[in-house]
Amino acid sequence: AQKVTQAQTEISVVEKEDVTLDCVYETRDTTYYLFWYKQPPSGELVFLIRRNSFDEQNEISGRYSWNFQKSTSSFNFTITASQVVDSAVYFCALKRGSSNTGKLIFGQGTTLQVKP
Amino acid sequence: GAGVSQSPSNKVTEKGKDVELRCDPISGHTALYWYRQSLGQGLEFLIYFQGNSAPDKSGLPSDRFSAERTGGSVSTLTIQRTQQEDSAVYLCASSLVGRRINEKLFFGSGTQLSVL
Repeated sequence: AQKVTQAQTEISVVEKEDVTLDCVYETRDTTYYLFWYKQPPSGELVFLIRRNSFDEQNEISGRYSWNFQKSTSSFNFTITASQVVDSAVYFCALKRGSSNTGKLIFGQGTTLQVKP
Repeated sequence: GAGVSQSPSNKVTEKGKDVELRCDPISGHTALYWYRQSLGQGLEFLIYFQGNSAPDKSGLPSDRFSAERTGGSVSTLTIQRTQQEDSAVYLCASSLVGRRINEKLFFGSGTQLSVL
């Protein structure tokens, strides 16, 4: 079965705190892609990052960083020095290598609230 | 257009009525997806279009749901005899090709459907 689990339903932090959003996935495919999307209050999902199953290098983009560990089937997302504008729902998603439809399998999402 | 456009942004209907939701994908994108986001739930895949055909309809919850795409562009999601459990945000996404594993999806802002 293919599944993405985001165990944290809601997280609340104070501005400037660091926060990590967890993502655990299940797949039997050897080739797959993992994605993170941000959904601000406007509703439109915004692409943040994609990572293929053969690349376990961590990635940093400004205040954002991602930790991909195949050994634990996790693809966690850390925001350093959080800001109010980071408040949104964040989704982790899986795209199977064996899929011929390209559809994404999403987790339940984590609502992040950053308070001033 | 510049992004994925959905209309209407909000739709309130009475139980038992039919509704049509429209999606205008990014120009040139051959793949189009419909997802449903219910309160407290993640994003649930409904249907995938490649051009005008739908090779994956596996997510449509019942035969009350149908979708079509014409001219390889605009898509319409139709819900017949709406029920209260159909209340959700219906999100449309498009991508350039669809079958490439690393392709990211571009999402619209969604249609908030409320069935009274």
